[in-house]
Amino acid sequence: EVQLVESGGGLVQPGGSLRLSCAASGFTFSSYAMHWVRQAPGKGLEYVSAISSNGGSTYYANSVKGRFTISRDNSKNTLYLQMGSLRAEDMAVYYCARGDIVVVPAALDYWGQGTLVTVSS
Amino acid sequence: DIQMTQSPSTLSASVGDRVTITCRASQSISSWLAWYQQKPGKAPKLLIYKASSLESGVPSRFSGSGSGTEFTLTISSLQPDDFATYYCQQYNSYSLTFGGGTKVEIK
Repeated sequence: EVQLVESGGGLVQPGGSLRLSCAASGFTFSSYAMHWVRQAPGKGLEYVSAISSNGGSTYYANSVKGRFTISRDNSKNTLYLQMGSLRAEDMAVYYCARGDIVVVPAALDYWGQGTLVTVSS
Repeated sequence: DIQMTQSPSTLSASVGDRVTITCRASQSISSWLAWYQQKPGKAPKLLIYKASSLESGVPSRFSGSGSGTEFTLTISSLQPDDFATYYCQQYNSYSLTFGGGTKVEIK
């Protein structure tokens, strides 16, 4: 059974940093592109970032470019999102999601349960 | 970035109704479109990919159509479990984008 479990969310002050993790199981993690998508309270879904299966290519939404870094450790079956210079508008539930084997842009077929990031002083 | 516009934003319907949700792209995305269902407090669930392909395990009352810039999600006979918010998503470009969502409410 495919499982994605996010962790690392919490309360952080504006300007602060946080690292999210997503532990994957039930599939060959190293074969799939992976994605982060967020959802602000009461709002719609917003794409955040993506990484290719081998980690060699990364993609970011303009809203987080230069502040967030996506990475993965295929030996640990884990996806990461390092978030810096956090702003109030970054407050959201962050989901990790599985993409495709072949290409990075893809439908997202499995999602984690999400982890909440709260940015407040 | 490619903009995705969904309509309506809210839809009131009864059990058994046929429901159609529209999604328009700001430029052609061929058939690189997915539909998701999301219930409160839960992660989105993939329903349709490549505009019209039904994800495994999804009931056949869900169907998708369209190509280019205009797409539709149809629920042929609305069931109690279908009251939720639905999102379209394009994956024609590396910057994935989602529609604003359509909330299907009980009439």
